[in-house]
Amino acid sequence: ILNVEQSPQSLHVQEGDSTNFTCSFPSSNFYALHWYRWETAKSPEALFVMTLNGDEKKKGRISATLNTKEGYSYLYIKGSQPEDSATYLCASNTNAGKSTFGDGTTLTVKP
Amino acid sequence: EADIYQTPRYLVIGTGKKITLECSQTMGHDKMYWYQQDPGMELHLIHYSYGVNSTEKGDLSSESTVSRIRTEHFPLTLESARPSHTSQYLCASSAIGGAKNIQYFGAGTRLSVL
Repeated sequence: ILNVEQSPQSLHVQEGDSTNFTCSFPSSNFYALHWYRWETAKSPEALFVMTLNGDEKKKGRISATLNTKEGYSYLYIKGSQPEDSATYLCASNTNAGKSTFGDGTTLTVKP
Repeated sequence: EADIYQTPRYLVIGTGKKITLECSQTMGHDKMYWYQQDPGMELHLIHYSYGVNSTEKGDLSSESTVSRIRTEHFPLTLESARPSHTSQYLCASSAIGGAKNIQYFGAGTRLSVL
């Protein structure tokens, strides 16, 4: 993996469904992995900062895991709500302080 | 809530005009960034700064220029706007080493050049 890649690009789910998406990143020179949520007409806001292999973070119904050896992170949303609709960005940070963003996964939760 | 502000939020301007997009933060962050994002595309880093009098070009080549005369202020200037500059521009800041470089973003400026 040379770049940060996110999949799927977009996702449409029904309210109450659980969902997950993937961020793949280069494992060399890894320092930290950030997840951001970007709601329409607002600024991207940080959800999680993860640094250690095996890290798991949770905030309400949203959780994330990190595998630095194979270079991926999963974001899970349990029981999706319409207010979860947003673009979810991941960014990989190297130990040189360089941040590289993925294209994002746009989630739409239908009531 | 992050204290980073961008003005204007929206700008429609004619070709050839000089424009400056403003970005200010009140968090005392040393590092600041400018990103360009086209619809459906990823954020591309076009400029960043480690502190006063420090400016660096990012991954994506840009005809814009930046300056960092004060810690809190990181304006971006286009000397002669063209339709190809139409895009969304996001400013961000971070504390060097703080929270593993997490970035705080402004609300963005949507620029349309006619």
